[in-house]
Amino acid sequence: EVQLVESGGGLVQPGGSLRLSCAASGFTFSSHWMTWVRQAPGKGLEWVANIKQDGSEEYYVDSVKGRFTISRDNAKNSLYLQMNSLRAEDTAVYYCAILRGSYGWSLDYWGQGTVVTVSS
Amino acid sequence: QSALTQPASVSGSPGQSITISCTGTSSDVGGYNYVSWYQQHPGRAPKLMIYEVSNRPSGVPDRFSGSKSGSTASLTISGLQAEDEADYYCSSYTSSSTWVFGGGTKLTVL
Repeated sequence: EVQLVESGGGLVQPGGSLRLSCAASGFTFSSHWMTWVRQAPGKGLEWVANIKQDGSEEYYVDSVKGRFTISRDNAKNSLYLQMNSLRAEDTAVYYCAILRGSYGWSLDYWGQGTVVTVSS
Repeated sequence: QSALTQPASVSGSPGQSITISCTGTSSDVGGYNYVSWYQQHPGRAPKLMIYEVSNRPSGVPDRFSGSKSGSTASLTISGLQAEDEADYYCSSYTSSSTWVFGGGTKLTVL
């Protein structure tokens, strides 16, 4: 059974940093692109970042470029999102998901999310 | 990276059909067939319902169908059921090698 379990969320002050983790199991993690998607309270989904299977390519939404870094450790079946210079508008539930090429580059499995709150 | 345009809400009675539109540009929806649709119930993670414009993952009822014309994609749900009440989001690959979601549509089953 495919499982994605996010962790690392919490309350952080503006300007602070946080590192999110996503533990993957039940599939060959190293064979798939991975994605972070976020959802601000009461708002819609926002794609945040993607990373290629071997970590050689990364893509980001403009609003987080230069502040967030996506990475992965295939030996640990884990995905990460390092978030620096956090702003109030980064407050959201952060989901990790599998970006499946064979499914037309759609997100076919999602974790349950981890909550990030940026506030003083 | 502007969000795709979806109606804020749609509604229908059980057994009826509804259609949700998703309008983009030639740089996203109009330029690629990598359009997908997601269903999200309150407090839950999104679920993939349609990928590559019109394909259903296994386990998704055939009451759900997708199509595209130009820069507008559509999700149609026929034979509405109470459990279909949820938020629905479209998504598309873009010419910037990024992805973009629609603003979401709240479906109410009357």
